[in-house]
Amino acid sequence: EDKVVQSPLSLVVHEGDTVTLNCSYEVTNFRSLLWYKQEKKAPTFLFMLTSSGIEKKSGRLSSILDKKELFSILNITATQTGDSAVYLCAVNTGNQFYFGTGTSLTVIP
Amino acid sequence: NAGVTQTPKFRVLKTGQSMTLLCAQDMNHEYMYWYRQDPGMGLRLIHYSVGEGTTAKGEVPDGYNVSRLKKQNFLLGLESAAPSQTSVYFCASSPTLTYEQYFGPGTRLTVT
Repeated sequence: EDKVVQSPLSLVVHEGDTVTLNCSYEVTNFRSLLWYKQEKKAPTFLFMLTSSGIEKKSGRLSSILDKKELFSILNITATQTGDSAVYLCAVNTGNQFYFGTGTSLTVIP
Repeated sequence: NAGVTQTPKFRVLKTGQSMTLLCAQDMNHEYMYWYRQDPGMGLRLIHYSVGEGTTAKGEVPDGYNVSRLKKQNFLLGLESAAPSQTSVYFCASSPTLTYEQYFGPGTRLTVT
């Protein structure tokens, strides 16, 4: 059974902290791994990773994939209150996308 | 560009009633998806379509039917609603299988 597991389930940090969110997966036909941010409405796309060891970066957010160990991490540096959201990880196996349950991040001023 | 739109935004149904959720996209995407999102369960794929006139089952298809008569529209039907179908439903589209998905704003459905 294909599955995607995210940890931690929730996280509370103070502004300026750095956080690392984890996503591990067990799927039969890996094509890509995607990260989304969800703020009480539709998920919005952050990154797509297909190759091991290549970091994707956008401002204070970065992500990397390890296809050998079957996981990805999403880093957020110098967190801001606007980073408060649920972060979703999804794995594409061809026709389907399998999502993790998400990590709820709360950034306190 | 409106992107992906969903109709309606909210709906309350009684057990046994039927309804259709409409998803429309104006990006000429081939692939369209219906998900449900429940607390603690993440997003789960109900049905998807890889092109006009085609549909396929996802992870949790029971109790739902879909149709893709036009490329821009993907309909999700509930023939006999059950309380277990209370959820937030998201539609998404993507240009190819390996590309990111664009999500609609969601439909909150309550079945009493």
